[in-house]
Amino acid sequence: DAGVTQSPTHLIKTRGQQVTLRCSPKSGHDTVSWYQQALGQGPQFIFQYYEEEERQRGNFPDRFSGHQFPNYSSELNVNALLLGDSALYLCASSHTTGEQRDTQYFGPGTRLTVL
Amino acid sequence: RKEVEQDPGPFNVPEGATVAFNCTYSNSASQSFFWYRQDCRKEPKLLMSVYSSGNEDGRFTAQLNRASQYISLLIRDSKLSDSATYLCPGDFTGGGNKLTFGTGTQLKVEL
Repeated sequence: DAGVTQSPTHLIKTRGQQVTLRCSPKSGHDTVSWYQQALGQGPQFIFQYYEEEERQRGNFPDRFSGHQFPNYSSELNVNALLLGDSALYLCASSHTTGEQRDTQYFGPGTRLTVL
Repeated sequence: RKEVEQDPGPFNVPEGATVAFNCTYSNSASQSFFWYRQDCRKEPKLLMSVYSSGNEDGRFTAQLNRASQYISLLIRDSKLSDSATYLCPGDFTGGGNKLTFGTGTQLKVEL
């Protein structure tokens, strides 16, 4: 049973560039949440996707956008990269029943470095 | 004030010791709580959900005190492999939409 997978594992970009990170949820899961974790901090919620729609969003600017595909996989896009966007980007998947999301399971993350 | 606060540590304990962490939260609309462990440069891994009645899984015991707005994690007979950062996110929106994390508590178990 495959867990949550993310690609790429590492990425180096320069300021102003754009980046796309990818996530495939755990088998049987239909909901994907994205988090940003800066060094020495806990993860911060970016947004959550269910049924191909953004359901909830954290305090992140519009430079952060996402998408969910019919197979439940998801992408996180960040435009106009800033040095402060350097972080570990974590994807978490869960299963939704009605209005209730089950426990979230995290993927290994993508480590983004912005130079 | 942050919604979830943790003592960052590090807590340095000898192997075999019992150690406890607390996690306080300020949002009274708390719904669900969890303990995750995170190894250096790895993803958080679910340790256990925290129930109002308290729950135990082997050497780990979690408690929730809604009146005092804190949760706790007790680790008995610490192992070297328990060394990690422990995170206690809460879901304050209800429905599992959004986990709010503190900074985590670092545990180092030593010989």
